[in-house]
Order: sequence, then structure tokens, then C-alpha cells
Amino acid sequence: SAVISQKPSRDICQRGTSLTIQCQVDSQVTMMFWYRQQPGQSLTLIATANQGSEATYESGFVIDKFPISRPNLTFSTLTVSNMSPEDSSIYLCSAPMRRGTNNEQFFGPGTRLTVL
Amino acid sequence: GNSVTQMEGPVTLSEEAFLTINCTYTATGYPSLFWYVQYPGEGLQLLLKATKADDKGSNKGFEATYRKETTSFHLEKGSVQVSDSAVYFCALSVGTGGFKTIFGAGTRLFVKA
Repeated sequence: SAVISQKPSRDICQRGTSLTIQCQVDSQVTMMFWYRQQPGQSLTLIATANQGSEATYESGFVIDKFPISRPNLTFSTLTVSNMSPEDSSIYLCSAPMRRGTNNEQFFGPGTRLTVL
Repeated sequence: GNSVTQMEGPVTLSEEAFLTINCTYTATGYPSLFWYVQYPGEGLQLLLKATKADDKGSNKGFEATYRKETTSFHLEKGSVQVSDSAVYFCALSVGTGGFKTIFGAGTRLFVKA
């Protein structure tokens, strides 16, 4: 069964528009993370989303471009604003969860974004 | 800062060959180490992990040992299969509970029948 789900799974968007990606976790988690995987590249952390506070952004990423919401302990959204072709990537959310006696980081299936 | 360096791919092997994918890391503090796998068209999956020095993570015939003295976490498999063709990412996380994870560049593995 899916632990983390994302919507949409993929989208094709026009330059200058914005897309909001949703991430749903099947249990309450304190922290959620948003990553970007550009074509043929590794994953780069965009920001950490904490419930009840503003997201913490990594170097090179800003809130105006990637606003994040975290309204509760099971849900987060990432918006890619004013898109350009360089934003074409897979966007993934992740969250650490306890499974048995271990903590493990789970990843969503990703949202494949193509900007024309 | 924290970083992960892994061998560049692609790596092409014949079925039943021995696999090694090198990974070294730099970290402030005491990281946990991971190997993730991304099969074609699929999402990222945790393959194995190790949380302290000399720990060996293993899964599906893959192994990696946390070597603090050489800051390494090399992935090995004794006999690869075509179904192992995928991209493999070495990663580390630091800090308590948060699992802020830093990924290596990824190594693409092709296994020929």
C-alpha cells in the first residue's frame, strides 16, 4: 500500500504559469521534505516543511519561487511559480516514519513536470 | 559541509558478474548512510542502510559496510541479474529524527543477459 502519494503524477505546463503539487502521507509526521530531480541528475533538497512554521529553504531555492504549505501533519503542497523550461524536473516529497523499531525515510512516487 | 561522492556511470556488466559501486562521504557529525535504487519508470526505494561504524546493510543480495576510517559505503553484489538494472544513489542523513538526506549523483547500472 502507498505510504506517500503525490498529485498530479505528471503535468505539462506553459511558461509563466504555476503548478501546485500535493503530497499526502498515511500517518502523522513532524517533518516533510521536497526534492527536485532534474533530468539525468540526482535529487536536490529544496526545502524542509514543518507543520506550524515556515518552510526552511536550501541554498539556491527561495520562497517566492517555491512556496510551500504544511497545514497539518499528513499533508503538504509545493508550488512551482512562474515556471520556465528549466523547472522541468521530477519533484518528490519525502517523510521519515517509524516502521517497526526503525525510522525510515519514505519517498512519494514523484511528479514529473514538463514546462514548454 | 555534507556531501556524497559516488562513482560515475554508466556501469555495464554481464549477468552474474560482481558489482561494486564506490561511495565516499563528507559529513559533520555522525551520519547514517543509505543506498537507494530507482528502477526505470519507478520511484525511489530504500535498498539498504547502516547507522553506525562497521554496520553492514544488506538486502536482495546487495551489501554495503559503513567504514568510518575511510568514510566509505561501497555497494557490492556477488552476482548481478538483468533485473538489477537501475540507478543507484548513495546518500547520507545527519541530525536527529529529521532525515534531511543528501544524495550522491547516482550511478546507472546496465546488466546484459
